[in-house]
Amino acid sequence: KNQVEQSPQSLIILEGKNCTLQCNYTVSPFSNLRWYKQDTGRGPVSLTIMTFSENTKSNGRYTATLDADTKQSSLHITASQLSDSASYICVIGGGSQGNLIFGKGTKLSVKP
Amino acid sequence: EPEVTQTPSHQVTQMGQEVILRCVPISNHLYFYWYRQILGQKVEFLVSFYNNEISEKSEIFDDQFSVERPDGSNFTLKIRSTKLEDSAMYFCASLRGGTDTQYFGPGTRLTVL
Repeated sequence: KNQVEQSPQSLIILEGKNCTLQCNYTVSPFSNLRWYKQDTGRGPVSLTIMTFSENTKSNGRYTATLDADTKQSSLHITASQLSDSASYICVIGGGSQGNLIFGKGTKLSVKP
Repeated sequence: EPEVTQTPSHQVTQMGQEVILRCVPISNHLYFYWYRQILGQKVEFLVSFYNNEISEKSEIFDDQFSVERPDGSNFTLKIRSTKLEDSAMYFCASLRGGTDTQYFGPGTRLTVL
């Protein structure tokens, strides 16, 4: 069964601190892995997208890693800001152009 | 920067009524999608659309659902006879092609009473 598991479910950190979010997946076929940021009541916004041959991808303060052998990914956020408060969702793209499989997300709260 | 737009932002309807949710994808995109997110749950794929036909659909997308691209810009999702469990946020997304990322609209919150 195709599954995307994320941990932790929620996380509270202080502004300026770093954090790492985890994603494990069992999806086949696997085409790519994406991290999205979703603000409450809004649509997801893409942060990174990686194919199976990529190990790391950065987008500003966001750095995603992928280990296709162990089927694990992480999203590292450095120097967090209050505006980073959101849900961060790990998404697997399958063999076709559509049908993204979403994780439940990690709800991040950044406190002053 | 071009973006996906959706209307209305919030739709309230009575159970059994038909609703049409509208989306304007990014203009040079070729692939179009609908997703839904029930409150507190994960985003779920409904349907993908390419070259004026459905290319893939999930188990959720039953006979009550249909999609259309009536002109060169709009992409609609119709629910023929809404049920209480259809209450959710519905997101439209579009993709140019290849390994590009899907761009999501802001969503339409559907409330079925």
